[in-house]
Amino acid sequence: QVQLVQSGAEMKKPGASVKVSCKASGYTFTGYPIHWVRQAPGQGLEWMGWINPHSGAINSAQKFQGRVTMTRDTSINTAYMELSSLTSDDTAIYYCARETLTAFHEVFQFWGQGTMVSVS
Amino acid sequence: DIQMTQSPSSLSASVGDRITITCRASRNIVRYLNWYQQKPGKAPEVLIFDANSLQSGVPSRFSGSGSGTDFTLTISSLQPEDFATYFCQQSYNTPRTFGQGTKVDIK
Repeated sequence: QVQLVQSGAEMKKPGASVKVSCKASGYTFTGYPIHWVRQAPGQGLEWMGWINPHSGAINSAQKFQGRVTMTRDTSINTAYMELSSLTSDDTAIYYCARETLTAFHEVFQFWGQGTMVSVS
Repeated sequence: DIQMTQSPSSLSASVGDRITITCRASRNIVRYLNWYQQKPGKAPEVLIFDANSLQSGVPSRFSGSGSGTDFTLTISSLQPEDFATYFCQQSYNTPRTFGQGTKVDIK
């Protein structure tokens, strides 16, 4: 079965960086893009970007460009999202999600359990 | 960016009720529209993709409709496990964007 297992909670100071991992299993890692979505406490969902694990190509939301780095290690089926220059506004749960292609682009079918990042 | 606006933001309903949640896109997104359910402390789960296709394993009381800019999610007979928050999301272009969510709670 498809599983995405994320790294544990992080506490960071303002100005620091955080790197969240997302280890995939149960499918061919390089066959499906991984998206990153975050959710501030009590708020909605915000898409950050995606990485194609096969090519390493990325596409990030303009809001995060220059601050977010998405990478992958195909030898261990793991995707990473690093966010720099953290502020309190970056306090959120960060999710990775695997897409599944549909007739109309894609849907986020499988999700990690989330990683809480607190900035204070 | 495409703005996704859901209404209502919250609603109270009883078990057995039929409820409808609306999602409006700021521009035509054809049928590039997905719906998710999220329960407290959990990751979202997909209910409907491509506006009206039921995700495998999701009960048939859930249905989606619409195209262009206006979409609806309907639960035909609300069950206790359906009390949750629901989000729409467009996959028409990047950045992918979500509605602000609709919280369904018990009346």
